[in-house]
Amino acid sequence: SQTIHQWPATLVQPVGSPLSLECTVEGTSNPNLYWYRQAAGRGLQLLFYSVGIGQISSEVPQNLSASRPQDRQFILSSKKLLLSDSGFYLCAWSASVNTEAFFGQGTRLTVV
Amino acid sequence: SQQGEEDPQALSIQEGENATMNCSYKTSINNLQWYRQNSGRGLVHLILIRSNEREKHSGRLRVTLDTSKKSSSLLITASRAADTASYFCATDGYGNEKLTFGTGTRLTIIP
Repeated sequence: SQTIHQWPATLVQPVGSPLSLECTVEGTSNPNLYWYRQAAGRGLQLLFYSVGIGQISSEVPQNLSASRPQDRQFILSSKKLLLSDSGFYLCAWSASVNTEAFFGQGTRLTVV
Repeated sequence: SQQGEEDPQALSIQEGENATMNCSYKTSINNLQWYRQNSGRGLVHLILIRSNEREKHSGRLRVTLDTSKKSSSLLITASRAADTASYFCATDGYGNEKLTFGTGTRLTIIP
C-alpha cells in the first residue's frame, strides 16, 4: 500500500535561517507531488507541484523553492526564512489530478 | 490564488441534523473533490465527482455538481459529533496537474 511521510511534525526556526522540509512517498511510482501552506483557520494555498523528477511548477512567487531529486521525494526549501513563512505545510501525492490526493500529516512551522 | 470558495465559512448544527456546504469555482474543471480536515491534521479524501456527473453518493455523503453555475454542494446527513471538522472542495487545472483547494467550511456538530 502507498504511504506518505512528511517530517518534521513541528519546527521553530529563527528569522533568516534556512529551511528544508522533506516528503517521501512509498508504494507508488511517478506520482504527482504537491506542497501546500495553510495559515491558521484558512484554506490551502498551493505552493508547488511536480509531475516528474526535476519538473517543478511554482504557484506563488516568494522566498521558497522546491526540488524533486528522486521520483518519490519532494523537498521544500528556503535560504532565509521570513516571519510570514510561518504556517502549516502539507505535502500530498496523487496518481493524477483526476484521482484522490493523499496527504502527509503536515509540518507546523513557526518562524520567530 | 484560491480556485474555490466554500460557504458558509462556519456552520454549527445539532447532532442528527443535516449539514450542507457549498463550493463555487471560477474556471472549467474535469472533476471536483471534497476533503475533510480534522484540526491540525492532513486532509482526507471524501468523494470525487466528474464534470459529466450531476450527483454522487457515498454513505451519508451526497455531492452535487452544477457545471453551468460552477458550483457544488456537499450534504452530510444525520450528522454526528465525529463529523466536526473543516471541509474543502478541490478542483483540477483542466489541462494541467494543478490541484487547487477552496477556503473551507468549518463544521461543528453540537452533541
